[in-house]
Amino acid sequence: GENVEQHPSTLSVQEGDSAVIKCTYSDSASNYFPWYKQELGKRPQLIIDIRSNVGEKKDQRIAVTLNKTAKHFSLHITETQPEDSAVYFCAANLGGSARQLTFGSGTQLTVLP
Amino acid sequence: DAGVIQSPRHEVTEMGQEVTLRCKPISGHDYLFWYRQTMMRGLELLIYFNNNVPIDDSGMPEDRFSAKMPNASFSTLKIQPSEPRDSAVYFCASSYGSREQYFGPGTRLTVT
Repeated sequence: GENVEQHPSTLSVQEGDSAVIKCTYSDSASNYFPWYKQELGKRPQLIIDIRSNVGEKKDQRIAVTLNKTAKHFSLHITETQPEDSAVYFCAANLGGSARQLTFGSGTQLTVLP
Repeated sequence: DAGVIQSPRHEVTEMGQEVTLRCKPISGHDYLFWYRQTMMRGLELLIYFNNNVPIDDSGMPEDRFSAKMPNASFSTLKIQPSEPRDSAVYFCASSYGSREQYFGPGTRLTVT
């Protein structure tokens, strides 16, 4: 069936290094790709999103890139800090549905001080 | 705005009991979503509403689950009868149009 695959499942980096998380999706009709951050015991919160009419979007230390041809998108965090440690989820609106999101399985990011 | 409000925050119940989870979306939002999060299955969309009308309930696991939205400021997710495999964190989220989905704090359900 239609799904979103996310890699890696765990990622450890040294403080100050960059972290990259990748997702692939199966439905070419998808056109909205948000990324959520979930700290332990907390709710998921949107950190950045991208729509299919752009290839890259940046917000300070966070950037997302999208390759529609290859059907994959990536989250890039530069100059990582301990407070970036959390689970990160990618999502896509499979089927091009305006509202329905299918989430990836999550990446546990640990930033080592 | 207080954000999306969910109650209770924690619920422990015995197998076979009825469980009702509640959600108050952000005022003015026209979409409401119910998600379930487990280690095994991740974050799954159960059902969503637009202007209080259920649009897609294909994610509802079985007939034991039901959801209602009687008005724009209140929704319930009911499990009857509950089973241990229903143990999970249930999130409610709301959005306005095609904008960001805001999640509530979640209800941690434990069925013994």
